[in-house]
Amino acid sequence: GNSVTQMEGPVTLSEEAFLTINCTYTATGYPSLFWYVQYPGEGLQLLLKATKADDKGSNKGFEATYRKETTSFHLEKGSVQVSDSAVYFCALTDSNYQLIWGAGTKLIIKP
Amino acid sequence: EAGVTQFPSHSVIEKGQTVTLRCDPISGHDNLYWYRRVMGKEIKFLLHFVKESKQDESGMPNNRFLAERTGGTYSTLKVQPAELEDSGVYFCASSPRQGAYEQYFGPGTRLTVT
Repeated sequence: GNSVTQMEGPVTLSEEAFLTINCTYTATGYPSLFWYVQYPGEGLQLLLKATKADDKGSNKGFEATYRKETTSFHLEKGSVQVSDSAVYFCALTDSNYQLIWGAGTKLIIKP
Repeated sequence: EAGVTQFPSHSVIEKGQTVTLRCDPISGHDNLYWYRRVMGKEIKFLLHFVKESKQDESGMPNNRFLAERTGGTYSTLKVQPAELEDSGVYFCASSPRQGAYEQYFGPGTRLTVT
C-alpha cells in the first residue's frame, strides 16, 4: 500500500544553518506530494506541494522537488530561523484523495 | 474568511463515556475530512464527506465511531463508548475540490480518555 517515510526527529540546528528533512514514499500511480507544518499551539498548514515529477514546490524559503526516480520529496531550507521551529509532516494523496502521512519531524532551531 | 474551526479544543473523559467532536469547515467547501493522530504515531485518515454524503469511511476504526454531516455544513464525530486507545488529536480539514487541492486544517481536538 501507499506509505510515507520521513526522518525521525527531533532535528536540532543553530540559526542560519542549512536544513534537510528527508522524505521518501511508496505509491502506486502518480501521487501529489505535500509538506505540512504545525507550529506550536496551531493547526496543520500546507507549506508546499508538488503534483508531478520534477515539480519543485517552494514557500517561505523552503523547497522540495518531486523525484520520481528516487521516490523522494526532501524538504530543504538554506538558512533556518528560530521561527521555523515546528513539526513538519510529509504526505501524499492517494487515488481516493486521502492524505497519507509520514510520522512527522520535530525541528528545533536554537539562536 | 473564517478558517476551519473545531470544538472543543480539548476533552477529557472517562473510559465508557461518550464524546462528540464538532468541525465547521470553510464556507462553501464541499469536501470535509477527519483524521486523527494517536500519540507517537502517524496521522491517519478516518473519513471523507462530499457535502452530506460519506465518500470514503475506510479509515474508521470500528463501529464505536459515528460521523455525520447534516445538511452538508458542519460535521460531528461521536465516539461511544470511548476506550483508552481513542486518545489522540482529531483533525478536521476541508477543501473546495478533491485531488491535489489543498486541504485546510482546523486546530484539532485533543481527546484524552482516562
